[in-house]
Amino acid sequence: AQKITQTQPGMFVQEKEAVTLDCTYDTSDQSYGLFWYKQPSSGEMIFLIYQGSYDEQNATEGRYSLNFQKARKSANLVISASQLGDSAMYFCAMRRGGSGYSTLTFGKGTMLLVSP
Amino acid sequence: NAGVTQTPKFQVLKTGQSMTLQCAQDMNHNSMYWYRQDPGMGLRLIYYSASEGTTDKGEVPNGYNVSRLNKREFSLRLESAAPSQTSVYFCASSEIGRNTEAFFGQGTRLTVV
Repeated sequence: AQKITQTQPGMFVQEKEAVTLDCTYDTSDQSYGLFWYKQPSSGEMIFLIYQGSYDEQNATEGRYSLNFQKARKSANLVISASQLGDSAMYFCAMRRGGSGYSTLTFGKGTMLLVSP
Repeated sequence: NAGVTQTPKFQVLKTGQSMTLQCAQDMNHNSMYWYRQDPGMGLRLIYYSASEGTTDKGEVPNGYNVSRLNKREFSLRLESAAPSQTSVYFCASSEIGRNTEAFFGQGTRLTVV
């Protein structure tokens, strides 16, 4: 069975600082995908970044980067230069390899609050 | 750019009532999904449809049925609602592929009293 663990229920960061949101996963699959989604207070789910298990380089999307450490089974999200609009719930999710379907297993999330 | 559209956005049901949550996507995606989100939890997969004409159970299918009406539409039915089904329901769609992300609807907040 797959499992995603996000150990930080809440994180606080000051505007313009960098922040790392932790995610560890458990799977016996060799091929899998890791995703991060943002859920602002309005409730929608916004895709941020993707990392495939066979991707050699860490994924980056603008201010977001994914620190992928395969041996440690971790996929931490790094947000550089935090903005007030980054205040939201962040979810790490994993997709089983092979199928290509987005049948995702989610962690419980981390609430990020960015202060001025 | 509608993306994934869910109706209704809010609903209150009495225990034992039935209802259908509607979902439509305009991105020509093959796969569609229903998730539920409970307080303090991440999303959990209820059912999914890998392609038109197929449906499969996810992690928490009990008490639900689904219909893939066509490529665009995927509905979720609660035959006899229970308070444990109070939740926020998200529909999503995606293309089939290794690095394709799921696009989510705005969610339906359902309360069963």
